[in-house]
Amino acid sequence: ETGVTQTPRHLVMGMTNKKSLKCEQHLGHNAMYWYKQSAKKPLELMFVYSLEERVENNSVPSRFSPECPNSSHLFLHLHTLQPEDSALYLCASSQDIPKQSSGNTIYFGEGSWLTVV
Amino acid sequence: DQQVKQNSPSLSVQEGRISILNCDYTNSMFDYFLWYKKYPAEGPTFLISISSIKDKNEDGRFTVFLNKSAKHLSLHIVPSQPGDSAVYFCAARSNYGGSQGNLIFGKGTKLSVKP
Repeated sequence: ETGVTQTPRHLVMGMTNKKSLKCEQHLGHNAMYWYKQSAKKPLELMFVYSLEERVENNSVPSRFSPECPNSSHLFLHLHTLQPEDSALYLCASSQDIPKQSSGNTIYFGEGSWLTVV
Repeated sequence: DQQVKQNSPSLSVQEGRISILNCDYTNSMFDYFLWYKKYPAEGPTFLISISSIKDKNEDGRFTVFLNKSAKHLSLHIVPSQPGDSAVYFCAARSNYGGSQGNLIFGKGTKLSVKP
């Protein structure tokens, strides 16, 4: 139990579907992240939220839409995805956004395996 | 262009021996380095870190070494145990530019410790 919970753990969706990934952190952290882990690629940072405000969007296609209603919850809304978007999506949190802290321990959830068919 | 490289996708070590996982980086503005460990079907978990002002950090069986001139860091696990079998990710933090503070990850090295 890392304190970061993601649902669903597995999701299969068609290219015309709309679905959402949910993340909840129970650590009292101020920053939350979405990462993408594709096969044979490094972990890619997608979005960073600090105190519910988006501070970074790493050139992610608009078919991925994040939402952070409060500092404990983070969503990733998915719409008209492509098969190449199939990957493991990892949510993470940290006490503050990295440049505000000397350390940078990020706590990850277990991930949501997404398959786009 | 990969800024953090883990050139060995896999490593196999006998139980009780030393495991050495390597990581190279290209950005001299990285100021903090971390190792994460990932079991199948789980998210990565933080293992150990080192600031760029140090060259060694030790925590139990895990030691991270940093060679700034070579832009190289390594994670030593000794003695290795079967439970250490996992994928190990090297990560670096940039203190410069638009991505200031964010972590950049390597592709990972899968460690297998054989009994």
